Amino acid sequence: KAGVTQTPRYLIKTRGQQVTLSCSPISGHRSVSWYQQTPGQGLQFLFEYFSETQRNKGNFPGRFSGRQFSNSRSEMNVSTLELGDSALYLCASSLLAMETQYFGPGTRLLVL
Amino acid sequence: KNEVEQSPQNLTAQEGEFITINCSYSVGISALHWLQQHPGGGIVSLFMLSSGKKKHGRLIATINIQEKHSSLHITASHPRDSAVYICAVSAGGGADGLTFGKGTHLIIQP
Repeated sequence: KAGVTQTPRYLIKTRGQQVTLSCSPISGHRSVSWYQQTPGQGLQFLFEYFSETQRNKGNFPGRFSGRQFSNSRSEMNVSTLELGDSALYLCASSLLAMETQYFGPGTRLLVL
Repeated sequence: KNEVEQSPQNLTAQEGEFITINCSYSVGISALHWLQQHPGGGIVSLFMLSSGKKKHGRLIATINIQEKHSSLHITASHPRDSAVYICAVSAGGGADGLTFGKGTHLIIQP
């Protein structure tokens, strides 16, 4: 079974731009969660989607949004990028909500 | 909001030593996860547990719900165990997603 894939793997943007990251979960997994990892704050939960519905959202501003499609693939969008948004963005999928998480390799975003 | 504390933050040990990493949390949970992150960023889920003890190869995870505490043990440690080990908890019903500890940076020297 193929693992969780994320595209792109690396991205450089400038302040004020927006970015869309994509995550394809393991086949059959219906839950996708997104996380941000920075050296200062560590890993932080962004949001979780299950069957196209957002179940939970972490403590992030409204510039961070996401969605899940009927095939369980998920995208997250960050608008009006700030320097502090530079981070590793990880997605993880699980069979059911908040069960054992299978992580993708991450997208490393650098905002200049 | 749950607070998750891990100790130690850094640990250097010799190959073959028995390793213990601790995790404590402040509020009742539905499950606790132990994750392993190697340099380069890849994260692997090692255990998800809500009670008792689980074992996988040389890794053992225990949880004490009453004391709000979990431990991850590595027996016969090996240099390939060098990684960051992260504890994460999920609240009852899955609300609020996962809350993570800061991680324990483990180095096993040959």
